[in-house]
Amino acid sequence: DAKTTQPPSMDCAEGRAANLPCNHSTISGNEYVYWYRQIHSQGPQYIIHGLKNNETNEMASLIITEDRKSSTLILPHATLRDTAVYYCIVRVTLIQGAQKLVFGQGTRLTINP
Amino acid sequence: EPEVTQTPSHQVTQMGQEVILRCVPISNHLYFYWYRQILGQKVEFLVSFYNNEISEKSEIFDDQFSVERPDGSNFTLKIRSTKLEDSAMYFCAGRGVQETQYFGPGTRLLVL
Repeated sequence: DAKTTQPPSMDCAEGRAANLPCNHSTISGNEYVYWYRQIHSQGPQYIIHGLKNNETNEMASLIITEDRKSSTLILPHATLRDTAVYYCIVRVTLIQGAQKLVFGQGTRLTINP
Repeated sequence: EPEVTQTPSHQVTQMGQEVILRCVPISNHLYFYWYRQILGQKVEFLVSFYNNEISEKSEIFDDQFSVERPDGSNFTLKIRSTKLEDSAMYFCAGRGVQETQYFGPGTRLLVL
C-alpha cells in the first residue's frame, strides 16, 4: 500500500489559508490521493480527491505536484470549525472495483482565533 | 443530502457477548465497508463488501467477525464473542459508482 507522510500537527490563524502538506513518493500512476478530516471521534468526512490535476471544490483546493510525489490541501479561509485531524490517503483499489482507504496518523490542524 | 446512518451510537457489552452493529448506507451505494478506530489510534480497514460477498478483509477481521446485508438496505457487522480489545469506534462507509467513500457517524463499542 502506498504510504503517506504528514506533519503530526499544524496551527493556523482564523481567516488565513491553511496549507497541509503530504508526501506520497511511492504512489502508482493510477492511484488517487484523497483527503478526509475527522473532527473529534466523528466519522471521517470527505474533503477532496485528485489524480494528477489540481482540484477545487467548495471546501478546499488540492495541489498535486507534477511528479505526483506530494500534494497540498489548501483551506482558503480557515475557521474555528476546521480544527480537526486531516488525513491524506492513497486509495487502494481491490478486486471487483472495491477500494480500501489506508489511514495514517494524519495532521492535527488547530485553528486559532 | 443523504447520509450514512449507524445504530446504536453507543453500545456497552460484557466480554464474550455477541454484538451487532447496524448501518444504513445511502440508497444508491453498491460497495460497503467497515472500519474501526481504537481510542487514540488510526482508523483501520476491516472489510469491504460488494454484490453480497466479502471482497477484501484485513487481518483484524477474523472468524469472530461477520458482515451481511440481510434485507438489501441494512448492512451489519457482527462480533460473535467480544473481547476487551474490540472496544473501539466502528465506522460504516459506502460508495456508489463514483469513487468516494462516505462514512457514517460511528458506533462506540465498549467491552467490559
